[in-house]
Amino acid sequence: KQEVTQIPAALSVPEGENLVLNCSFTDSAIYNLQWFRQDPGKGLTSLLLIQSSQREQTSGRLNASLDKSSGRSTLYIAASQPGDSATYLCAGQRQSGSEKLVFGKGTKLTVNP
Amino acid sequence: DVKVTQSSRYLVKRTGEKVFLECVQDMDHENMFWYRQDPGLGLRLIYFSYDVKMKEKGDIPEGYSVSREKKERFSLILESASTNQTSMYLCASGRTYGYTFGSGTRLTVV
Repeated sequence: KQEVTQIPAALSVPEGENLVLNCSFTDSAIYNLQWFRQDPGKGLTSLLLIQSSQREQTSGRLNASLDKSSGRSTLYIAASQPGDSATYLCAGQRQSGSEKLVFGKGTKLTVNP
Repeated sequence: DVKVTQSSRYLVKRTGEKVFLECVQDMDHENMFWYRQDPGLGLRLIYFSYDVKMKEKGDIPEGYSVSREKKERFSLILESASTNQTSMYLCASGRTYGYTFGSGTRLTVV
C-alpha cells in the first residue's frame, strides 16, 4: 500500500527565507505527484503537478521536483511571504491502474513578518 | 478553470438523519472522489467513481454510500448520521493530469 510521508509536520520561518518542504513515498511506482495548498477551513488548491515523464515544475516562486528512484519530492519556496502561511500537502498517484491520490498529512508552514 | 462546487460550506445535522452532500464539476471529468479530513489523520478516501453509475469503495466506506447518475454530479450519502462522522468533507474531480478540489463541507453531527 502506498504511503506518503511529509517532513516536517510544522515549520516556522521569518519572512524572506527560502525553504524546502519534503515528501517521500514508499512505492516507486508513482505516476504523478501533485502539491496542494490548504488554508484553514478551506479546500485544497493545486499548486504544481509533476507528471511521470517530468522531473520538476515551476510556478512563480514555487519549484517542485520529483525523484522516483529515491521516492522523494521537494517543494521549494523562494523568498517566503506571510501570505504563504498555510498547510502544504503532497499527493501521489500510482502508475498501474488506480487513479486515486494518496495524501501525506501535510506540512503546516508559518511565515512570520 | 475547472470548477468543483460543493453545495454547502457548513452543515449541522442530528444523529440518525440521512444526509446528502452534493458535488458538481463543470469540466466533463470522468473521475470524481469523496475524501474526509480529520486532524491527525489527514485525507482519507471514502468513495470514488470513474464514470456514470460506477462507484468503488475507498479506504473508509463504512456508513457512507454514493450516487452518480450524471457525469457532472457525485453525491455522498450518510445513511444514518453519527457523531463520528463529524468532519470536513472534500470532493475532487480530474483525470490523470491532475485533480481539482471543491471548497469543502464542514459537517457537524449533534
